[in-house]
Amino acid sequence: GENVEQHPSTLSVQEGDSAVIKCTYSDSASNYFPWYKQELGKRPQLIIDIRSNVGEKKDQRIAVTLNKTAKHFSLHITETQPEDSAVYFCAASMTTDSWGKLQFGAGTQVVVTP
Amino acid sequence: DSGVTQTPKHLITATGQRVTLRCSPRSGDLSVYWYQQSLDQGLQFLIQYYNGEERAKGNILERFSAQQFPDLHSELNLSSLELGDSALYFCASSVQGLNEKLFFGSGTQLSVL
Repeated sequence: GENVEQHPSTLSVQEGDSAVIKCTYSDSASNYFPWYKQELGKRPQLIIDIRSNVGEKKDQRIAVTLNKTAKHFSLHITETQPEDSAVYFCAASMTTDSWGKLQFGAGTQVVVTP
Repeated sequence: DSGVTQTPKHLITATGQRVTLRCSPRSGDLSVYWYQQSLDQGLQFLIQYYNGEERAKGNILERFSAQQFPDLHSELNLSSLELGDSALYFCASSVQGLNEKLFFGSGTQLSVL
């Protein structure tokens, strides 16, 4: 089955700096890579996703890049703000028999200090 | 509010007991997923249903079972509970269940004492 590794486990950045979280996946058949943000005590929420036919996707201050050859994908947050402090989860999924099964990474605790 | 409703929000029980967690998906969503979140293991996929049928299975223990009813709500049954089953259990739903955005409920915090 799919295995997703996520690094780093914690990330402290100064407000205004950039944050980068990296994930690797094991199954070359994976074709869907979402990122979820979970604030303390709240539910995970999708912030951006990318599919295997795209190398990069951007939405305001966040961007995701995908390298299918190397089987890794990354989340980039620019101009970080205190409200970006949360746990971020990457995930990978492949469609087998037309059904996706998301496997999440272990999460990255991001702390943005003013 | 994601539109996914989970009950109860908190559950405290003893080892060996059985509990049922309930989830109502967003209106129009046909697929329901169950995830377990513990401190040391992140979000673990348990099981997925689509329109009443099981579609994908993850690391779900034999002591756990789930089903999706004709009205599309789902229940996760946990039996012979152990201390290690203490975790936050999330339900999520999506329209079709085919690599798309998941909408998570607020979770049920299970404490096994």
